[in-house]
Amino acid sequence: DTGVSQDPRHKITKRGQNVTFRCDPISEHNRLYWYRQTLGQGPEFLTYFQNEAQLEKSRLLSDRFSAERPKGSFSTLEIQRTEQGDSAMYLCASSSPSGEKLFFGSGTQLSVL
Amino acid sequence: GENVEQHPSTLSVQEGDSAVIKCTYSDSASNYFPWYKQELGKGPQLIIDIRSNVGEKKDQRIAVTLNKTAKHFSLHITETQPEDSAVYFCAARGGGTSYGKLTFGQGTILTVHP
Repeated sequence: DTGVSQDPRHKITKRGQNVTFRCDPISEHNRLYWYRQTLGQGPEFLTYFQNEAQLEKSRLLSDRFSAERPKGSFSTLEIQRTEQGDSAMYLCASSSPSGEKLFFGSGTQLSVL
Repeated sequence: GENVEQHPSTLSVQEGDSAVIKCTYSDSASNYFPWYKQELGKGPQLIIDIRSNVGEKKDQRIAVTLNKTAKHFSLHITETQPEDSAVYFCAARGGGTSYGKLTFGQGTILTVHP
């Protein structure tokens, strides 16, 4: 499978706990994106990496959220002190250096109890 | 910022009929308009896209049209099949924004009855 891979597929946590998600983009893609999708809505942009540099962050990305892409390959998204409002599907996407087409992974479904 | 409105929210058709989903956008400088199909438990899958310098694009049973003057674009699916049943999202990239920063519509649940 050469698509975008996300792990875990599902995460259930208690309010106040920290969670971390991982995304492995398509191997030749240097651009990586995180989106969030709540039930019945379209995905919303969170942040964007070109190689290891985080170039843009949405105002949706509060101080409790941090994303990294240390070696320009996989990326992690950490949520600290989770709140019930963080419950959503977290989607990762990647694109090639010259391309504008985004390819999404299957997402991580987060449930905060 | 960009705002995208999508209609209808649900669409039910008989197998073999055509389906049309419409979207409007607010930023006249938007230049890229992809359509995604999302099945239950999966991420969005790109099915077709169009750039602002093109008025229409077709790929087998799927076509997209763009009216820049009216700031709306539409997805047309002909000869629908039950496997076309899914949630469809339109999206737009606003002028001057990063390549992958898309604004999505609210989605259309398409049901194709056999």
